[in-house]
Amino acid sequence: GAVVSQHPSRVICKSGTSVKIECRSLDFQATTMFWYRQFPKQSLMLMATSNEGSKATYEQGVEKDKFLINHASLTLSTLTVTSAHPEDSSFYICSASPNLGLSFYEQYFGPGTRLTVT
Amino acid sequence: AQSVTQPDIHITVSEGASLELRCNYSYGATPYLFWYVQSPGQGLQLLLKYFSGDTLVQGIKGFEAEFKRSQSSFNLRKPSVHWSDAAEYFCAVGLNNNDMRFGAGTRLTVKP
Repeated sequence: GAVVSQHPSRVICKSGTSVKIECRSLDFQATTMFWYRQFPKQSLMLMATSNEGSKATYEQGVEKDKFLINHASLTLSTLTVTSAHPEDSSFYICSASPNLGLSFYEQYFGPGTRLTVT
Repeated sequence: AQSVTQPDIHITVSEGASLELRCNYSYGATPYLFWYVQSPGQGLQLLLKYFSGDTLVQGIKGFEAEFKRSQSSFNLRKPSVHWSDAAEYFCAVGLNNNDMRFGAGTRLTVKP
């Protein structure tokens, strides 16, 4: 089956620094990728949607200058949390789809990245 | 307002007992419906999905779900729960604008 990986699985960084999270589709071309954020004991909240080679579309309330998303290839998307603060600590999950539209027809989730900002 | 509701935050069942997790949605058209399972510290695994056709959908790990249009529900069921089923379960709705919206989740605890 389709596999999506995330790296790192866990990261601790100091307040004010930036951290990059990678999301890779290992055995298919991910035309569309999604980034979600999950707070403890809560549901997933969509942050942004990205199509390969295009700028990401951010959900309302998500700061695009703080959460930089790059989807430069059909197998890799990166989320960079810039000038991280403790309130950015969360579980970040990516998902990928080979489809451009109605991506949930085939959407595969990564294992998530636990970010802790001290 | 459009929403996905999972009324039960936490459910405890005994191993071997039957299970039903509730999910209701409030979207205008018939949405695309999903159930996902998440183990602690892990990503999401798709259990099953409904797009059209037979309203009783079979999934992996012995799970099934039934779409009831009249009740705007898509409840997840399993006839006999195993200890390994303990996890967080999310109902989700796929919208025509390419979005997927998740319910708040139901945490399942399985008693020996």
